[in-house]
Amino acid sequence: AQSVTQLGSHVSVSEGALVLLRCNYSSSVPPYLFWYVQYPNQGLQLLLKYTTGATLVKGINGFEAEFKKSETSFHLTKPSAHMSDAAEYFCAVSDRTGNQFYFGTGTSLTVIP
Amino acid sequence: DAGVTQSPTHLIKTRGQQVTLRCSPKSGHDTVSWYQQALGQGPQFIFQYYEEEERQRGNFPDRFSGHQFPNYSSELNVNALLLGDSALYLCASSLDYSRYPETQYFGPGTRLLVL
Repeated sequence: AQSVTQLGSHVSVSEGALVLLRCNYSSSVPPYLFWYVQYPNQGLQLLLKYTTGATLVKGINGFEAEFKKSETSFHLTKPSAHMSDAAEYFCAVSDRTGNQFYFGTGTSLTVIP
Repeated sequence: DAGVTQSPTHLIKTRGQQVTLRCSPKSGHDTVSWYQQALGQGPQFIFQYYEEEERQRGNFPDRFSGHQFPNYSSELNVNALLLGDSALYLCASSLDYSRYPETQYFGPGTRLLVL
């Protein structure tokens, strides 16, 4: 079985500061890992994904995440927060055999001007 | 290339009624999955359709049913609506999810309010 834990349901950062959103997963097999962003009253937009290969993954809007197998983590970072980054962020895990996605409960990011 | 589209965008129903939500997948995608996202929660998997058959199902009652058409579009039906069914319903499409799960993309959702 797989599961995702997002530490911190609410994160606030100042504009220009580092963004760090934490995600830990449990999976009995090598997982696929994803980060999605959701703006108010909208669907989910894929930020980045890890499937295989390089463990540091770069996504859209300057975000990146690093797959650390030993720590079972896939934390999302961005060097400098922008006001437009304020949104809900979801980490998700999927195995490679066609089973469903499992989402975390989300982290709401607030950017303070 | 249009992405995943869903209709309607918003819907208001009363308890006990039935509702049908619709989804058109991204061009070239043949797998459709449905998710329920309650307010303040992450999406929960309802079921997945591939080749017009339900291939996977999450922990949802039989009141939730679906269909996939030959053109890969899909419907989600919910019978005997409960207040707790109020949520954002998301459709996601992918290319043969069992082989390429990393290709899943989401639509904007249908927000259902049950009064």
